[in-house]
Amino acid sequence: QKEVEQDPGPLSVPEGAIVSLNCTYSNSAFQYFMWYRQYSRKGPELLMYTYSSGNKEDGRFTAQVDKSSKYISLFIRDSQPSDSATYLCAMSAIYNQGGKLIFGQGTELSVKP
Amino acid sequence: SAVISQKPSRDICQRGTSLTIQCQVDSQVTMMFWYRQQPGQSLTLIATANQGSEATYESGFVIDKFPISRPNLTFSTLTVSNMSPEDSSIYLCSVTKRGGTYEQYFGPGTRLTVT
Repeated sequence: QKEVEQDPGPLSVPEGAIVSLNCTYSNSAFQYFMWYRQYSRKGPELLMYTYSSGNKEDGRFTAQVDKSSKYISLFIRDSQPSDSATYLCAMSAIYNQGGKLIFGQGTELSVKP
Repeated sequence: SAVISQKPSRDICQRGTSLTIQCQVDSQVTMMFWYRQQPGQSLTLIATANQGSEATYESGFVIDKFPISRPNLTFSTLTVSNMSPEDSSIYLCSVTKRGGTYEQYFGPGTRLTVT
């Protein structure tokens, strides 16, 4: 069993839709949770990061962490064609200036005009 | 965030040869990492580049195959040695900033094809 599971998609939605991206994990030591966006032929771009359980909102993006269920989500409101990319969840058990990130497989999202 | 550049951006190499990839950051950073992203796959950590000492390698990766240098706080190199077609991947460096916490920022990647 992989430490982090993420549905690879592809996921196709119409412009303006609410998108829900999810990851599950098995290691209860994970405390730091990140979402990256990766456009084709580019490096991953950090979108959101959260510590422990709870919600965090940044513009159209909301990250949720439910440690009791070992489940994290990223919601995108009013999705735009420019949101079309691969979204990667990543998590770490280590504090103090960063540490090994364990990545999900990535979900390919396509937002159609 | 930090501005990270990688050279080369892409290369096509013959099997049996070696390629050195450079990672340059615009400011001093605490930690630098090297990841591999194989076609259609997610990112896998190769090693942590430690300044002034030997890199720390993850299971399945060895120094003879992936020697790493980090001579200062803004620069690191990864060499892919004795390449085979299975080494065809995107290689990415990432950093955590000094004074920051756990966020990692990635470079644009080096796309390597081995023929």
